[in-house]
Amino acid sequence: EPEVTQTPSHQVTQMGQEVILRCVPISNHLYFYWYRQILGQKVEFLVSFYNNEISEKSEIFDDQFSVERPDGSNFTLKIRSTKLEDSAMYFCASRVRGFTDTQYFGPGTRLTVL
Amino acid sequence: QQQVKQSIVQKGGISIINCAYENTAFDYFPWYQQFPGKGPALLIAIRPDVSEKKEGRFTISFNKSAKQFSLHIMDSQPGDSATYFCAASRRTDKLIFGTGTRLQVFP
Repeated sequence: EPEVTQTPSHQVTQMGQEVILRCVPISNHLYFYWYRQILGQKVEFLVSFYNNEISEKSEIFDDQFSVERPDGSNFTLKIRSTKLEDSAMYFCASRVRGFTDTQYFGPGTRLTVL
Repeated sequence: QQQVKQSIVQKGGISIINCAYENTAFDYFPWYQQFPGKGPALLIAIRPDVSEKKEGRFTISFNKSAKQFSLHIMDSQPGDSATYFCAASRRTDKLIFGTGTRLQVFP
C-alpha cells in the first residue's frame, strides 16, 4: 500500500540554524500539507500546497517557514532560523484530487531545537 | 469558530469519544488514530448527509443540529489503546483537529 514517507525521523539542531524536513507524498496525490504537533498537544495545521503554490497557511507559518516541491516527488519544509518553540513533531500529509478527502499522514519528523 | 473539542465516556466494553464543533461550514468529519511515535491514521470518516456510519467495531454517529459527532468503539481491546483525534474540515480545506483523547484498554 502506498504511503507518505518523511526524512529524517529525528533532527536535532541548534537554535538559529536552518533545517529542511523532507517528505515524499503518495505518487498520484496533488494536495500537500504540513502539520505540527508539540509534545502532548493536538495536531496543528501549518500550510497547504497545491499546483506549486501555497493554498493556505496558518498564523504559525511565519516568514521563517517556507515550503517547496523541488521535483516531482519531494515536498520540503524549511525553517530558516529555528527557535526553541519550533521543537515539535512535524507531519507531512497528502491528498488525492477527486472524490475522496482523506489526508494520509507520514510518520513524522521529530525536531529538537537546543 | 475553528475549535473542535473532545470528551470520552467508557461503559463496559464500549468506549465513546465525543466531539463538538462550532463552524457550521464544516462538511467532513474524520477520526484519526495515533499510536505513540507514529503519524495519525484515518480510522473512519463521515459527512453530514448521513447520521451514522459503521466500519467493523467502529461507528461514527453524527448530530448536525447539536454540532456533535461521536466515535463508538465496540468491544474495546488492548490493541485499541491509542490517542484518538476527531477533526473537521471543508472538502478542500485544512483539517482542524480536536485536542485528542488517549484511550487505554486493559486486558
